[in-house]
Amino acid sequence: EVQLVESGGGLIQPGGSLRVSCGASGFNVSNTDMSWLRQAPGKGLEWVSFIYRDGSTYYADSVVGRFTISRANSRNTLYLQMNTLRAEDTAVYYCATWRGSAAFDSWGQGTLVTVSS
Amino acid sequence: DFQMTQSPSSLSASVGDRVTITCKASHDISNHLNWYQQTPGRVTNLLIYDATKLETGVPSRFSGSGSVSDFTLTISSLQPEDIGTYYCQLYGTFGGGTKVEIK
Repeated sequence: EVQLVESGGGLIQPGGSLRVSCGASGFNVSNTDMSWLRQAPGKGLEWVSFIYRDGSTYYADSVVGRFTISRANSRNTLYLQMNTLRAEDTAVYYCATWRGSAAFDSWGQGTLVTVSS
Repeated sequence: DFQMTQSPSSLSASVGDRVTITCKASHDISNHLNWYQQTPGRVTNLLIYDATKLETGVPSRFSGSGSVSDFTLTISSLQPEDIGTYYCQLYGTFGGGTKVEIK
């Protein structure tokens, strides 16, 4: 059974850095296309970043140059390093697997990141 | 910019009712449209992919239709466990969501 568990969220001051993690089980992150998405309080879903199995990465315009997606194959874990955080980055951050048919087919339950002074 | 316009933004229906949610794309997207349910407990499930295909394990009361730029998600008989917010999606773009409640 595929399971995704996010962790690492918390309260961080504007301009600060935080790394959130996504522990995976039931499959290998090394050969799976994966993504981070987020949802601001009371708002809809927003795609943040992709990492494909070949290692190529893509980012939403709102986070490019500030966020970095990566994975640790030995730990079967996906990461999102977030730098220069802004109040508008406050959201629940979800990881998800990305299927070839262009669907996010398995999701974690998210970790809350709050950027506030 | 590419946009997905979802309607209604919320609805309230009785158990057993037929519920319909629509999603309109700003451009022709063929059938590359997916539907998700997000429960109040932040569980997000893929329901329909490629506009009409039922994801494994999803109850058959859920169905999807449409093509080109106009798409529909139908719940044939609303059940209490169907409450939540429903989203359409094409690649990195999501619709604004439809919150479904029970009367």
